[in-house]
Order: sequence, then C-alpha cells, then structure tokens
Amino acid sequence: EAGVVQSPRYKIIEKKQPVAFWCNPISGHNTLYWYRQNLGQGPELLIRYENEEAVDDSQLPKDRFSAERLKGVDSTLKIQPAELGDSAVYLCASSLLGDTEAFFGQGTRLTVV
Amino acid sequence: AQSVTQLDSQVPVFEEAPVELRCNYSSSVSVYLFWYVQYPNQGLQLLLKYLSGSTLVESINGFEAEFNKSQTSFHLRKPSVHISDTAEYFCAVTFQKLVFGTGTRLLVSP
Repeated sequence: EAGVVQSPRYKIIEKKQPVAFWCNPISGHNTLYWYRQNLGQGPELLIRYENEEAVDDSQLPKDRFSAERLKGVDSTLKIQPAELGDSAVYLCASSLLGDTEAFFGQGTRLTVV
Repeated sequence: AQSVTQLDSQVPVFEEAPVELRCNYSSSVSVYLFWYVQYPNQGLQLLLKYLSGSTLVESINGFEAEFNKSQTSFHLRKPSVHISDTAEYFCAVTFQKLVFGTGTRLLVSP
C-alpha cells in the first residue's frame, strides 16, 4: 500500500512568487495534516482537516497561506506571495479519524531566494 | 496547552554503546506520547508510542521508552546502537494534535 505522497520533493522560487504543494494521503484516512519544519526545529502544525473540514487552522498565516481539501482526499497548500522566511520543509501527514498514529510523507523542501 | 522539551540537540556516540535521548513534556491533561525518527532526506516514521497500559514500550529495532508520569518524561533508550541508527529523533505528545519537540540528532560513529 502506498504511503502519503507529496509533490514536488524540492522547489526553488524567487520571493513574491506563488507556490503550491500537493498531498495524497493514505487511502481511507479521514484526517490530513500540513506541518512546516524549519531547519533545526520540530514540525509545527499549520492546518488539520477532518474530511473536507479544516478543524484547526489557528497556526496558518492566513494573509499568504491557503489550503484546500476538495472531496476530502487530496490536499493542496499554497503560499502567495512567498517570503524568504517561508523556506522550510512542508510535511503532509494523514491518519484514520480519531486514530493516534499519523503517517508522514517525505515532505517538500521549499527554498525562497 | 502541551509542550515538549528535548534538551539535547545532538548526541554523539560510538557504535555498540548505549544511548539515552531525553524528552520531557508539559500538559494539564493526559496525553499520548510518541517518538518519531527521521532518516536523512526521508519523512518522519513512528518509532514507538505510549497510549496506556505498560509504561515501558518497545520498538522492533531495539529502542525502548519509559513513560514516567511523576517526572513527566518519556526518554528513549537503546542498549547498543548501530551506525544505521544515525538520524534525527523527535519526541511528540498529542491531545488533539501532535506537538513535537525540537529534535535530537543521534550521530553514531565507528
């Protein structure tokens, strides 16, 4: 069974440009998470979905970040416009509804120059 | 709110030596505890977890962690490390969402 799939693996963009990340969770997993991991830090939650609904987006910088999970399966995370400080690894994870174990994708490493 | 503290940012150790990676947490409610491992250029993988029951939990590759409620700790141990254990280790707690520590880089040398 395939795990959580993220694309692209790497992305380099100039500041002020838009960027989007895509995540395909494990089949049947209702809960989807987006985390940001800065260099030398642990992952920090940006947004959590239960099916199509964003149930926790308190840490998402809504002025430039947006996310969607249409049909409760795949999800995209967008940054517009990107800033230098957005350089990080963006991790997607999924779990069964109410389950305690989250499965992570390999992440997208974003570099803003 | 929950928080996790991993005091050691890096732990160098020789192959076949024992190792302990420390983790302390803070929470006003009961939480579940996890250790995740991140190998170079890979995603996070669950190493072991404590949900309830026995306070000592083990992984399939020889790691173990003990939940100590009075000391609010969940330290990770292995009696004899291998070169392949070199990775970043993250302690995490969850109540309604996973909260991670800053990670400890384990460096195993021959």
